[in-house]
Amino acid sequence: GENVEQHPSTLSVQEGDSAVIKCTYSDSASNYFPWYKQELGKGPQLIIDIRSNVGEKKDQRIAVTLNKTAKHFSLHITETQPEDSAVYFCAAAAYRDNYGQNFVFGPGTRLSVLP
Amino acid sequence: GAVVSQHPSRVICKSGTSVKIECRSLDFQATTMFWYRQFPKQSLMLMATSNEGSKATYEQGVEKDKFLINHASLTLSTLTVTSAHPEDSSFYICSAFLGGTDTQYFGPGTRLTVL
Repeated sequence: GENVEQHPSTLSVQEGDSAVIKCTYSDSASNYFPWYKQELGKGPQLIIDIRSNVGEKKDQRIAVTLNKTAKHFSLHITETQPEDSAVYFCAAAAYRDNYGQNFVFGPGTRLSVLP
Repeated sequence: GAVVSQHPSRVICKSGTSVKIECRSLDFQATTMFWYRQFPKQSLMLMATSNEGSKATYEQGVEKDKFLINHASLTLSTLTVTSAHPEDSSFYICSAFLGGTDTQYFGPGTRLTVL
């Protein structure tokens, strides 16, 4: 089955700096890669996603890159702000039977943006 | 759009009682919903996949008689934790699969504490 690794587990950056979180996956059949932000005591919130036919996607301060050959994808946050502090999860997904996408999540990265 | 709600947000119960958690897709129909469990500072663990009008598919190691799932309509799935014990205390999160996309949208989670 799919296995998703995520690094680093914790990341502290100064406000205004960039943050990069990297994930690797094992199943070449995975074709969809979302990133979620989870604040304490809340459910995960989708912040950006990328499909396997695209190498890069950007949405304001957030970008995701995908290298299918190497089976890794990364989240880039520029001009970080204190409100970016949260736990970030990557996921890899592939269709399973008729049940749509089956997500496998990485272990998470706790990002702290220091003012 | 794509809002998912959960009720209750918190529940405290005595050991041996049963607890029902509701997951609703508020502005879209979801033929597939997922139930996850999350322990403190850990990632999301998929418990089961719930399809409207059919039996849920449980992940390996998840007791189907312990965690009863009913997906009676296109906007509602319920998870019942039967004869709850302290080890069932956890954060339970549902998600709904938005048809026509690859995306799962998550609810805000339910904190279950079993005394």
